[in-house]
Amino acid sequence: EAGVTQSPTHLIKTRGQQATLRCSPISGHTSVYWYQQALGLGLQFLLWYDEGEERNRGNFPPRFSGRQFPNYSSELNVNALELEDSALYLCASSLLWRSETQYFGPGTRLLVL
Amino acid sequence: GDSVTQMEGPVTLSEEAFLTINCTYTATGYPSLFWYVQYPGEGLQLLLKATKADDKGSNKGFEATYRKETTSFHLEKGSVQVSDSAVYFCALRLSNTGNQFYFGTGTSLTVIP
Repeated sequence: EAGVTQSPTHLIKTRGQQATLRCSPISGHTSVYWYQQALGLGLQFLLWYDEGEERNRGNFPPRFSGRQFPNYSSELNVNALELEDSALYLCASSLLWRSETQYFGPGTRLLVL
Repeated sequence: GDSVTQMEGPVTLSEEAFLTINCTYTATGYPSLFWYVQYPGEGLQLLLKATKADDKGSNKGFEATYRKETTSFHLEKGSVQVSDSAVYFCALRLSNTGNQFYFGTGTSLTVIP
């Protein structure tokens, strides 16, 4: 069974640009979660999508947004990039929103110059 | 607010040494508690979990007991191996926050032969 996949693996942008990160959940999983793993800060919850709808978001500005497609894959968009957005962005999926176990992808490393 | 605090790293141990990584939490409800592990270059993997007070989670020789009285979930292993070198994250989940996880900052463990 294929795990959670993310693309690209690395992304380099300049300040002010937009970044788009993609995530494909495990087949059959309907919930997708996005986390930011900045150096020294651990994982910070960004967004949760379930059945195509945004269900919850963390304490991040509106320039962090995303969506979930009918096939449950998801996209994270970061507008007006700032230097401090440089981080590893992790996507996770779960079978149902009530599931206690989230399965993580390998992440996309975003570098903002 | 809800949060997880885990011991600062990095931790360096010799093979077969005893491991303890401390984790304490603050939660308004009754959380489920988790330990995730991140091996170099990979995404996070669930290591073990406990869903209620006094539960003990165990996997691959690692153990952690949910202690409500001390709000702790310390990770232990009696004899570490080189292959245990990774970053360990303590996390909590409150069902009333829509399956959102709160992670600690991670503890890097290096085991030397």
